Amino acid sequence: SQTIHQWPATLVQPVGSPLSLECTVEGTSNPNLYWYRQAAGRGLQLLFYSVGIGQISSEVPQNLSASRPQDRQFILSSKKLLLSDSGFYLCALQGPAGGYTFGSGTRLTVV
Amino acid sequence: RKEVEQDPGPFNVPEGATVAFNCTYSNSASQSFFWYRQDCRKEPKLLMSVYSSGNEDGRFTAQLNRASQYISLLIRDSKLSDSATYLCVVNHNAGNMLTFGGGTRLMVKP
Repeated sequence: SQTIHQWPATLVQPVGSPLSLECTVEGTSNPNLYWYRQAAGRGLQLLFYSVGIGQISSEVPQNLSASRPQDRQFILSSKKLLLSDSGFYLCALQGPAGGYTFGSGTRLTVV
Repeated sequence: RKEVEQDPGPFNVPEGATVAFNCTYSNSASQSFFWYRQDCRKEPKLLMSVYSSGNEDGRFTAQLNRASQYISLLIRDSKLSDSATYLCVVNHNAGNMLTFGGGTRLMVKP
């Protein structure tokens, strides 16, 4: 079965520091992968999606970037974090029936 | 108009009550529909897919009305554990990408 792993669970970073969040999947090949952010009390905001190695589409222009160096690895990065980057970051894997399975998320607080 | 709209609630209901949520979507070409549940500070999890003929899973019933472009979720005999935010999800432009509604918060009280 398909599984998705995301870490770390929580992260506190100072403004201006770099960020790297990793998402890995198992049990599938060439999956569609997504990065979402959810601000406190708000809905899901799609940040990036990828349909294959090296293929990244950005939905929202900002100081974040994404990469897909391997088929089952999706990375979210930033060179310099802003206070507004705080939120709950979720990686998602699209299953064969079209629905998404989410990782357990990373709660990022920028201080 | 938002692509997927939901009443944010909260819906406050007593245990045992029946509660219904509606969701409207803007793209008539959408083909796939889902309800997700999100507990506080957790990731969203698939509750059920929504099929054209309507479908039921225990106390939960989902309905799709293509003509009016809305989806509903009915919860019977509400439990305290049903307290969560329920997200309506629709595929985007008949492609693979899903669009999430803002969610409806349900609070079931003893």
